[in-house]
Amino acid sequence: KNEVEQSPQNLTAQEGEFITINCSYSVGISALHWLQQHPGGGIVSLFMLSSGKKKHGRLIATINIQEKHSSLHITASHPRDSAVYICAVRNFGNEKLTFGTGTRLTIIP
Amino acid sequence: NAGVTQTPKFQVLKTGQSMTLQCAQDMNHEYMSWYRQDPGMGLRLIHYSVGAGITDQGEVPNGYNVSRSTTEDFPLRLLSAAPSQTSVYFCASSRSWADTQYFGPGTRLTVL
Repeated sequence: KNEVEQSPQNLTAQEGEFITINCSYSVGISALHWLQQHPGGGIVSLFMLSSGKKKHGRLIATINIQEKHSSLHITASHPRDSAVYICAVRNFGNEKLTFGTGTRLTIIP
Repeated sequence: NAGVTQTPKFQVLKTGQSMTLQCAQDMNHEYMSWYRQDPGMGLRLIHYSVGAGITDQGEVPNGYNVSRSTTEDFPLRLLSAAPSQTSVYFCASSRSWADTQYFGPGTRLTVL
């Protein structure tokens, strides 16, 4: 079973700061997902990536397959970015995702 | 499109009662899954389906049953509720198991 670790567990920052959330895993994967869970509980998929880097608006996700590590960056953070960010991985040939416990991000105005 | 819908949003049960959590999607997705989310733990897979008529167990299947008679619907049944099943339940769907998953709004279940 893949072990997925996220850091930090909690992060509080001022509006406008550059945010980095990290995810590491123990076994080689076919894909990694970043998800956002809003305070109301809803879960939205942000990125799915298997190599390199993806960008959507102020969000950037990178993955280093050799180091088994991914980062989620938020530029010019805003209070509406406050949420729990969850990393999940899919092992090769496996239909199932393994989830991290999430990083709770709070952006203060 | 409504996406993935779940009912009910909240439910309180007594130990031993049974109930069905409903999940439906209107995106013609083949892959559907049920997760539970508990404090301090990542989402854990209960059961999943890769298409109508096909279901399989996930990481924590005990105490839960599923069926997939249509592409759209994937109900989760608790036959005899236990306090350990108090959790938030999410249903998700995707075109295939390798694709981005779309999550329902969740059902908060309390078993007394």
